[in-house]
Amino acid sequence: ETAVFQTPNYHVTQVGNEVSFNCKQTLGHDTMYWYKQDSKKLLKIMFSYNNKQLIVNETVPRRFSPQSSDKAHLNLRIKSVEPEDSAVYLCASSTRGRNQDTQYFGPGTRLLVL
Amino acid sequence: GQQVQQSPASLVLQEGENAELQCNFSTSLNSMQWFYQRPGGSLVSLFYNPSGTKQSGRLTSTTVIKERRSSLHISSSQTTDSGTYLCAASSGSWQLIFGSGTQLTVMP
Repeated sequence: ETAVFQTPNYHVTQVGNEVSFNCKQTLGHDTMYWYKQDSKKLLKIMFSYNNKQLIVNETVPRRFSPQSSDKAHLNLRIKSVEPEDSAVYLCASSTRGRNQDTQYFGPGTRLLVL
Repeated sequence: GQQVQQSPASLVLQEGENAELQCNFSTSLNSMQWFYQRPGGSLVSLFYNPSGTKQSGRLTSTTVIKERRSSLHISSSQTTDSGTYLCAASSGSWQLIFGSGTQLTVMP
């Protein structure tokens, strides 16, 4: 049963455009995450939010920015996309955020930058 | 640095055969987790297994912290088991470090 929802499922855009991906979780978790999965299936964390506070910010380009209105939502905005941004972006959530509980993932948003 | 190495990269089995997937992680990591990803699908948590052995149906996960390794055993594989299996570990902070995945194909 899906409890982490992502939109859109798929997005095609051109270099330089701005895109925004949405994520909502209905699990009552207090920590949410964004991961990038490249063509080789390698998953790397980009951001995590705990109680609306950014607690992990990996060395991602500044054109990426997370946006959260409450603990159930964590959106990802990309200003001026680049070709290397083509990937699957996965949203996840967990309780307590200390990896003592498993993370639940959304279905992903596949981005293709032309 | 923090590393998670997963093997094999790919595995092809005949239906009914068993599979053994391995994950090795660096000393700064712990709290091993295993995930399954269907082709084009989202990640599904299989096990949160920081140490010891856990079983769920045909799946068994064993983590030996002292040896910095974790394994996922699939018995009597089925075609529906095909997909990507990912292990991940954490450093006790907020982030998971993922392995590169094992692409499993089970032939009928």
